[in-house]
Amino acid sequence: AQKVTQAQTEISVVEKEDVTLDCVYETRDTTYYLFWYKQPPSGELVFLIRRNSFDEQNEISGRYSWNFQKSTSSFNFTITASQVVDSAVYFCALSEAQDDYKLSFGAGTTVTVRA
Amino acid sequence: ETGVTQSPTHLIKTRGQQVTLRCSSQSGHNTVSWYQQALGQGPQFIFQYYREEENGRGNFPPRFSGLQFPNYSSELNVNALELDDSALYLCASSLQGLNTEAFFGQGTRLTVV
Repeated sequence: AQKVTQAQTEISVVEKEDVTLDCVYETRDTTYYLFWYKQPPSGELVFLIRRNSFDEQNEISGRYSWNFQKSTSSFNFTITASQVVDSAVYFCALSEAQDDYKLSFGAGTTVTVRA
Repeated sequence: ETGVTQSPTHLIKTRGQQVTLRCSSQSGHNTVSWYQQALGQGPQFIFQYYREEENGRGNFPPRFSGLQFPNYSSELNVNALELDDSALYLCASSLQGLNTEAFFGQGTRLTVV
């Protein structure tokens, strides 16, 4: 069963618009970690954030913000005032305590920011 | 840059052949994980090596094997290549598992024809 679902396959916005990427996860563990990665055309996965299951505080880092809600098993990611350089594929991932050696990735959301 | 380097960046192999992909982990990292990313999909975990031992394995057949060396660099070997093995292979290094940040290399694009 898919543990991480990113329902949005592609999102296209105009520069300076905000864009929100949805991530829904599934786990029976009470201890787990959630991640977001960015994959530009070069292919390398760039780490953006890690969140543990006991910390539901929302986080903001520059133009990026994350909304973690355990009640809905969601960990959404918002890019404010998007820029062309934000164009990439974004992946949400889950690491569970019982299998903490691996990341389970969603299928990714392709974000295209047009000038 | 993450400090994780993979080689080669691209290669083309024929079905039935064998391939070896290499990964140098970030300085100080003792754990290496390998992922397969098919076109348009998210990365899928292959296996992880910690202190030269396999520490966990995903749903991949035995023809996918690996090694980790004393300097923590790693190899991924795939025997009897199939067309479906065509993918981007990503290596990630970390400290003692993935509850810490995992730093990924740029990947090796394997095409099997």
